[in-house]
Amino acid sequence: EVQLLESGGGLVQPGGSLRLSCAASGFTFSSYAMSWVRQAPGKGLEWVSAISGTGGTTYNADSVKGRFTISRDESKNTLYLQMNSLRAEDTAIYYCARGLGRAAAGTGWVSWGQGTLVTVSS
Amino acid sequence: QTVVTQEPSFSVSPGGTVTLTCGLSSGSVSTSHYPTWYQQTPGQAPRTLIYSTNTRSSGVPDRFSGSILGNKAALTITGAQADDESDYYCVLYMGSGIYWVFGGGTKLTVL
Repeated sequence: EVQLLESGGGLVQPGGSLRLSCAASGFTFSSYAMSWVRQAPGKGLEWVSAISGTGGTTYNADSVKGRFTISRDESKNTLYLQMNSLRAEDTAIYYCARGLGRAAAGTGWVSWGQGTLVTVSS
Repeated sequence: QTVVTQEPSFSVSPGGTVTLTCGLSSGSVSTSHYPTWYQQTPGQAPRTLIYSTNTRSSGVPDRFSGSILGNKAALTITGAQADDESDYYCVLYMGSGIYWVFGGGTKLTVL
């Protein structure tokens, strides 16, 4: 059974940094592209970042470009999101999601974790 | 700016059929956008219903189906049940530079 467990959320001041983790199990981690999707309180879903199964290709939404970095550690079966220069509008539940195969391009995000809450506030 | 459009709200009677759509502010949706549909209830993570236009995710009942209708992606629920009352989101793959764009979601009421 595919399991994705996010951690690392919390309260951070504007301009601060946070690193989210997503521990994956139940599948061969390196065979699947992964993504982060967020949901601000009371709002819809927003795609944030994605990474191919090999880790060689990353994709970022314009809203986080230059501030957020997605990465993965195959030895730990873990996906990361390094978030810098955080803003109030980054406040959201952050979900990690798994794609359909190794390539990120064109995939759907089909398995989801339960999410971790990030609050950016002074 | 690419905007993915969904009906803000929809209502269906128990046992009835409803079709939710997912369109583009400019242009037509095709299978090349790999439409994916999610169901989300308050406080829960999204649940994948349909991916790649019309492939049902594991464990999803066959009363949920996906298609392209005209210039939009569509999610049809046949024989609606009370626990189908949820928010439904679609996402489209837009290719280089934009990548994945979610629609604003449709709040489905079953009454």
